[in-house]
Amino acid sequence: KNEVEQSPQNLTAQEGEFITINCSYSVGISALHWLQQHPGGGIVSLFMLSSGKKKHGRLIATINIQEKHSSLHITASHPRDSAVYICAVRAFRGSQGNLIFGKGTKLSVKP
Amino acid sequence: GAVVSQHPSWVICKSGTSVKIECRSLDFQATTMFWYRQFPKQSLMLMATSNEGSKATYEQGVEKDKFLINHASLTLSTLTVTSAHPEDSSFYICSARDGGRTSYNEQFFGPGTRLTVL
Repeated sequence: KNEVEQSPQNLTAQEGEFITINCSYSVGISALHWLQQHPGGGIVSLFMLSSGKKKHGRLIATINIQEKHSSLHITASHPRDSAVYICAVRAFRGSQGNLIFGKGTKLSVKP
Repeated sequence: GAVVSQHPSWVICKSGTSVKIECRSLDFQATTMFWYRQFPKQSLMLMATSNEGSKATYEQGVEKDKFLINHASLTLSTLTVTSAHPEDSSFYICSARDGGRTSYNEQFFGPGTRLTVL
């Protein structure tokens, strides 16, 4: 079982829909990242969370440390939101605290 | 947010040649830089971690003589793929951790470099 699990793997939505992507992890963490990767390959860091909730524009990220679960929400989705969304956690173990990545959720928003 | 740049964004080279990829943190000092490799439709795979002024720490299975990493300053790290072969063709992504920004050391990603070895 992977240490970071995302669901769903693939998601197709109509423009304007509210979208939720989930991330569950099994290790103790100091922080959780949500990343966005467009078809061209570049990765953008959307959020870094250690507790609670963050909002940026139409994007909202929440984390529940006790339940080891995070969600990324997109309100009023748009075709330009189509991308792969990756959850990554920084585990407590190890001296470097390297990120452990989920496999990503591929989102397609249709006009 | 902070910016990490990579150069070149794509490169095509002949088998047997060496290719250098640069990673720069543009508006912060990167105490730690990471190099990742990504195969099509797969997640990022950490290759090595480098701290400024010290030798890189390579992940298991990554050849240090093949993938030379230099982190000469707080804003620049380079990855050199030596004697490249077609199987080295991949998408290489660097990432930098800003040691001074937050207590949790936020990490930023470069745009990636697509390497094709003919």
